[in-house]
Amino acid sequence: DGGITQSPKYLFRKEGQNVTLSCEQNLNHDAMYWYRQDPGQGLRLIYYSQIVNDFQKGDIAEGYSVSREKKESFPLTVTSAQKNPTAFYLCASSIATSGGQETQYFGPGTRLLVL
Amino acid sequence: GQQVMQIPQYQHVQEGEDFTTYCNSSTTLSNIQWYKQRPGGHPVFLIQLVKSGEVKKQKRLTFQFGEAKKNSSLHITATQTTDVGTYFCAGLTNAGKSTFGDGTTLTVKP
Repeated sequence: DGGITQSPKYLFRKEGQNVTLSCEQNLNHDAMYWYRQDPGQGLRLIYYSQIVNDFQKGDIAEGYSVSREKKESFPLTVTSAQKNPTAFYLCASSIATSGGQETQYFGPGTRLLVL
Repeated sequence: GQQVMQIPQYQHVQEGEDFTTYCNSSTTLSNIQWYKQRPGGHPVFLIQLVKSGEVKKQKRLTFQFGEAKKNSSLHITATQTTDVGTYFCAGLTNAGKSTFGDGTTLTVKP
């Protein structure tokens, strides 16, 4: 059963703590993305990676960090520097980003709530 | 920077009525994609438009890409309750930057 998975579905964090959101795909996609979605708003790009061991900042990277050690995995860490982390986090993957806009396949998302 | 604006933000219709959402870019787009996000779910790809003036249909859904490749629309004929959700456009500029619009949330009253 191929797809993209995110865990956990819900995550609670105390202020000042770092948390890591998991994203795994078995679609053999080269590119992976992290988006943040706030209520009633669209998707804002946090980070993206076109290939293993390489990633670029998106529009709202401050307070977040990522790694891409394996093709299948693109974990996102929400650091204590992110002042307003409560949101719905979506991970996506696509075949490539070689100048074209490939179809992105989204995971089910993780809802992060800061207590 | 590039902006992709979507209107309206919300649309409430009676089942059977038509629905249209519009996507406008401040810059010329290489292509545009449309996604649907059901309540509580994640975005799912619907279609991609590439050519100037392109029109594509999927059953009751009609997608258009403007002649200038700066705007697009999604039209749903005779809405059904299964159409509820938020519809997003995502535009790719000639510089290779992809940006999502803020979406239009559709509710359908049975």
